[in-house]
Amino acid sequence: DAGVIQSPRHEVTEMGQEVTLRCKPISGHNSLFWYRQTMMRGLELLIYFNNNVPIDDSGMPEDRFSAKMPNASFSTLKIQPSEPRDSAVYFCASTKGLAGDNEQFFGPGTRLTVL
Amino acid sequence: DAKTTQPPSMDCAEGRAANLPCNHSTISGNEYVYWYRQIHSQGPQYIIHGLKNNETNEMASLIITEDRKSSTLILPHATLRDTAVYYCIVRNDYKLSFGAGTTVTVRA
Repeated sequence: DAGVIQSPRHEVTEMGQEVTLRCKPISGHNSLFWYRQTMMRGLELLIYFNNNVPIDDSGMPEDRFSAKMPNASFSTLKIQPSEPRDSAVYFCASTKGLAGDNEQFFGPGTRLTVL
Repeated sequence: DAKTTQPPSMDCAEGRAANLPCNHSTISGNEYVYWYRQIHSQGPQYIIHGLKNNETNEMASLIITEDRKSSTLILPHATLRDTAVYYCIVRNDYKLSFGAGTTVTVRA
């Protein structure tokens, strides 16, 4: 298994630029999650998709953030315009189903630095 | 989701068992206990989970008390590669709420 694939692994950009993070979930998984990790706030859930449909986006910080899942094998998280406070590690995770009795598999993360 | 309480840090000698405690006194009957770990600069890694019974897999054992208000993750023979932050999470749906976890340092 290739696991969850994320790209890029590192991104450095300037304030005001658009940033797009990409995720390929594990084949056969129908739930996908985007998390953000910072020193101050730890790991927090941003958005959750099930069968390509956003189910819970209550963790998305503000309108500058948007996420899409056009098909079962691809998702993007976009920040436009980016700000220095968006600097963090962004993780994508996937799993089968919805219930509490299943594990989420995490990708290696994208380390974003906004100057 | 119920909240969990873990010690902020602990040390363990290489080759010895590491016992990581977790309190979840407000856990409800349909909530599972999950353990994840995060090795520096990597994504969180699933370790084990359970509902009522004790569980064991190739990585660890999970001991859940009869009243389910606390649990212990046991790494039977800790290695230097087990140095990581360990998160105890209780959940009954898709949400994984990560707290601060326990920073485990395995020393040679």
